[in-house]
Amino acid sequence: TQLLEQSPQFLSIQEGENLTVYCNSSSVFSSLQWYRQEPGEGPVLLVTVVTGGEVKKLKRLTFQFGDARKDSSLHITAAQPGDTGLYLCAGYNFNKFYFGSGTKLNVKP
Amino acid sequence: DTEVTQTPKHLVMGMTNKKSLKCEQHMGHRAMYWYKQKAKKPPELMFVYSYEKLSINESVPSRFSPECPNSSLLNLHLHALQPEDSALYLCASSLSGIKTDTQYFGPGTRLTVL
Repeated sequence: TQLLEQSPQFLSIQEGENLTVYCNSSSVFSSLQWYRQEPGEGPVLLVTVVTGGEVKKLKRLTFQFGDARKDSSLHITAAQPGDTGLYLCAGYNFNKFYFGSGTKLNVKP
Repeated sequence: DTEVTQTPKHLVMGMTNKKSLKCEQHMGHRAMYWYKQKAKKPPELMFVYSYEKLSINESVPSRFSPECPNSSLLNLHLHALQPEDSALYLCASSLSGIKTDTQYFGPGTRLTVL
């Protein structure tokens, strides 16, 4: 059972465009993390959100946690080729982390 | 310091070999995890250790044997693996026991079983 659904699965855009990735669930999570992963490497933590309605900004990246703590979004402004990678959301509940299916982002120069 | 280290970076082994993967963290985290990841897929949880005790085993075949010698170290012993076990093996750690827990991942070991 996939507790977290991510969309879209694939995204190919031009440099300079904006994009949003969604992470949705019917379950409530205590906290939610976003990671970025490059091929053959481990996931790198981007942010942890813990409070419903919370918004965090990391340079061109904006993360939002839904009011009910069931969903989250990642918005990238003016995407750059260096943003290319696999984006993963992970929710924490019942002493386990549940991963979304991932969004493969390709930013073309 | 939010570093989790893993060795080796790459491992090639035959189906009759015995090998071990190592993971280390010095962040004072009390939960450690092993994940298996296939290309373009999310990590799949294998094992969770909490306070050096095995707390979760996700029905992993016995040819994978985890070990947690102390709070900083986590091993994964491999024996009689199959080619379909080839994957990226990731170790992670977290504080444990708090609602806002966050995992930090190591760089992974790329395992190829011939």
